[in-house]
Amino acid sequence: QSALTQPASVSGSPGQSITISCTGTSSDVGGYYYVSWYQQHPGKAPKLMIYGVTNRPSGVSHRFSGSKSGNTASLTISGLQAEDEADYYCSSYTSSDTWVFGGGTKLTVL
Amino acid sequence: QVQLVQSGAEVKKPGASVKISCKASGFTLTSYHMHWVRQAPGQGLEWMGIIKPRDDQINYAQNFQGRVTMTGDTSTTTVYMEVNSLTSEDTAVYYCARDFHWSTDYWGQGTLVTVSS
Repeated sequence: QSALTQPASVSGSPGQSITISCTGTSSDVGGYYYVSWYQQHPGKAPKLMIYGVTNRPSGVSHRFSGSKSGNTASLTISGLQAEDEADYYCSSYTSSDTWVFGGGTKLTVL
Repeated sequence: QVQLVQSGAEVKKPGASVKISCKASGFTLTSYHMHWVRQAPGQGLEWMGIIKPRDDQINYAQNFQGRVTMTGDTSTTTVYMEVNSLTSEDTAVYYCARDFHWSTDYWGQGTLVTVSS
């Protein structure tokens, strides 16, 4: 199972919006509504930000939203804040009854 | 509250095995599936497998088939993962995480495994 494809890095200024893409295949992202997104700060465990493509866990800011079109899922962060600077990973359930992660995207808040 | 507490850091020689534990509290282990994920230094997350403690059903990522064994002990609410035939490429932080709607909501603190001669 190949890793999902994410941009290596994205950046934005405080207050702006950014979008991170996550491209897979019809056997993972495109075939299921089981895409999730994680935020990871250095030295910390990942934190779930979005599950089931569009759902936010309790406690996650409304500034984070998810969507999907075909084989590509997206995470949008609006009203960028300094604390959003982190690595972001997408993940998807697959037709093999396994899971796969994206390669990760480093978000820099300028 | 939900907690996943993993065993401490390990240093192993190439060819050795390592067994990591993940003790769950604050929820009923038999009601959840548990994932294992690893992260090599400076690298991304890699999914290793999932165990369903209620019936010991297990799925491994293809990359780890035959070299990784996941088990669960419902009496001690602990899941374990053993990795055999370690190489330097297995140097990583290993995490356990609770399944939540085909994602993972709670993660352990991570266990660093260093493989070095």
